[in-house]
Amino acid sequence: EAGVTQFPSHSVIEKGQTVTLRCDPISGHDNLYWYRRVMGKEIKFLLHFVKESKQDESGMPNNRFLAERTGGTYSTLKVQPAELEDSGVYFCASSQANYNEQFFGPGTRLTVL
Amino acid sequence: GESVGLHLPTLSVQEGDNSIINCAYSNSASDYFIWYKQESGKGPQFIIDIRSNMDKRQGQRVTVLLNKTVKHLSLQIAATQPGDSAVYFCAENPFSTSGTYKYIFGTGTRLKVLA
Repeated sequence: EAGVTQFPSHSVIEKGQTVTLRCDPISGHDNLYWYRRVMGKEIKFLLHFVKESKQDESGMPNNRFLAERTGGTYSTLKVQPAELEDSGVYFCASSQANYNEQFFGPGTRLTVL
Repeated sequence: GESVGLHLPTLSVQEGDNSIINCAYSNSASDYFIWYKQESGKGPQFIIDIRSNMDKRQGQRVTVLLNKTVKHLSLQIAATQPGDSAVYFCAENPFSTSGTYKYIFGTGTRLKVLA
């Protein structure tokens, strides 16, 4: 069974540009989570989807971040416009039921110059 | 993928010895705890979990201990092997107060296994 996949693995953009990250959860997992790790600090929660609905978006830093999960399958996280402090690694995780173990993808390393 | 951070606390252990990695969690209402292992270039990988109604849980070569009185979690790895070298994160889920399933992660500990 394929694990959680994320694309791209790396992205380097300039300040002010737009970047879209993609996450494909494990097939059949209704729950999808976005986390990020900035500047070597702890991994922090961004938001949680249950199917296509946002269950909890309390961790989204500001309105430059937009997450979608149309159709309840893959999810995208768009940063527009990107700022220097957005640099970090963005992880996606999925779980079958919301109380189950979350399986993490390899992450997307975002560098904003 | 990700390369691990440069400023993490590091634990160096001789191959074959036991490792103990500690974590202090923040929320006394957290009721679910997890240990993750992250190797360079990969995402966090589940190792073992424990619920708040337990104080110890054992897996294969790993044991998690939970001390709710002092909000402390530890991961013990028996007979540490070179493949255990990685960054280890503890995470908590304060579902009973947050009502959601987001994890709160610790800062991580780098484990180096010496040959």
